[in-house]
Amino acid sequence: QQQVKQSPQSLIVQKGGISIINCAYENTAFDYFPWYQQFPGKGPALLIAIRPDVSEKKEGRFTISFNKSAKQFSLHIMDSQPGDSATYFCAAVSNFGNEKLTFGTGTRLTIIP
Amino acid sequence: GAVVSQHPSRVICKSGTSVKIECRSLDFQATTMFWYRQFPKQSLMLMATSNEGSKATYEQGVEKDKFLINHASLTLSTLTVTSAHPEDSSFYICSAREASGGTDTQYFGPGTRLTVL
Repeated sequence: QQQVKQSPQSLIVQKGGISIINCAYENTAFDYFPWYQQFPGKGPALLIAIRPDVSEKKEGRFTISFNKSAKQFSLHIMDSQPGDSATYFCAAVSNFGNEKLTFGTGTRLTIIP
Repeated sequence: GAVVSQHPSRVICKSGTSVKIECRSLDFQATTMFWYRQFPKQSLMLMATSNEGSKATYEQGVEKDKFLINHASLTLSTLTVTSAHPEDSSFYICSAREASGGTDTQYFGPGTRLTVL
C-alpha cells in the first residue's frame, strides 16, 4: 500500500514535444505529491508539487495533473528541451504519517534534437 | 533559499575504515533529516530518519551499528559508515525537511559518492 508506481521507465521525446510521466498510488493517506528532477551524479531537486485539493498545477513549462478518484497524477513537460534530459521521480508523503517520502521508480527522459 | 549541502562530495577509502558524511541545511532549520542510498539507475532507498536531539529511526534491513547517524543541531546531521566494505560503495544523499511553515517539502543535498576499495 506504500508503493508509488511510475511509468514509463524511459522516455524519448523530440525537442519541442510534450513529455508525459505517470504515477499511481494506493495509500489514500498521501496528501502531498512532489516531483523531483535528478541529473547524473547530483541529488534530486524539487521541481513542482501538488496537494489533492486541486486537479492541476502549472509552473512554467511543467504541469502536474492530479486525479484523486483514480489515485493517479502525472507530470507534463511542455516544449521539452535537451536540458530537460534527466531522471524524474514522483513521490508521495502523508503529512500526518511519518513524513517519509515514498518514491516512484523513476523515468529516464531523453530529449532529442 | 532551501539549500542543503553535503560534504564530502566524493570519497574513496580502504576497506575497514570509517567514513563520515555531513549534511547541512544552509538557510533553514530542519527538525528532520533523512538519509538515502541510491544505486546506479535505481530509485532512492530511505535508510533512516534523523530527528534533532533524538535517536535516528532506521528502516528495516539497515544496520544501525554500521550506519551511525547523529543529528546534533537543527542544521547538521552526520552519517558515519563504520568499517566500510566494497558493498557499501554507493551514492548517499541526505534531505532536510523545513521545520517552519508547515511545509512538507524535503530539500535534497547534492549527494556523496562513496567508493570503498
